[in-house]
Amino acid sequence: GQSLEQPSEVTAVEGAIVQINCTYQTSGFYGLSWYQQHDGGAPTFLSYNALDGLEETGRFSSFLSRSDSYGYLLLQELQMKDSASYFCALNTGGFKTIFGAGTRLFVKA
Amino acid sequence: SQTIHQWPATLVQPVGSPLSLECTVEGTSNPNLYWYRQAAGRGLQLLFYSVGIGQISSEVPQNLSASRPQDRQFILSSKKLLLSDSGFYLCAWVGTEVDEQFFGPGTRLTVL
Repeated sequence: GQSLEQPSEVTAVEGAIVQINCTYQTSGFYGLSWYQQHDGGAPTFLSYNALDGLEETGRFSSFLSRSDSYGYLLLQELQMKDSASYFCALNTGGFKTIFGAGTRLFVKA
Repeated sequence: SQTIHQWPATLVQPVGSPLSLECTVEGTSNPNLYWYRQAAGRGLQLLFYSVGIGQISSEVPQNLSASRPQDRQFILSSKKLLLSDSGFYLCAWVGTEVDEQFFGPGTRLTVL
């Protein structure tokens, strides 16, 4: 089957850098996405990696290594507003996307 | 620009009652549409997806059903709600450039 694993919680200090890891098991996929969800809100798209390597979008970067079945989301210059849940998601093809259980990020002053 | 609407925003229903949640998309045509459910503090569970009018694929066998009567309308239904149906229901459509899903504001359903 297909599955993704993420840490349930991560805590970091305002202004710091934090990395949220995602490991996955799948027989094949098109790419790995990351979403942010604030409490009570809907998920919003952050980034997508179709190929191995680093994708950078402002303070957020995402990395994918297909050989290691591993990806991560890197958040720099953390702000209090970054406190949210972060989900990795596999585009498995066939119109389906499988989401991880999410990582709750707490940013402290 | 594209927008996605869901209603109602919140809903409290007794066990055994029927359910109808509606999702509409504006600003795009022939979108792939999705229904997800999210339990408190958990990830998103894919329930149904649709690639066109009348075309529904079910991912989880349960007492829910979905319909797509119009190109930009997606409806989630149940004839008899269970306690386990409580959760945050999200409708989404997929952009064409990358695997970017755009989510509606969601419906928070509580079954008592």
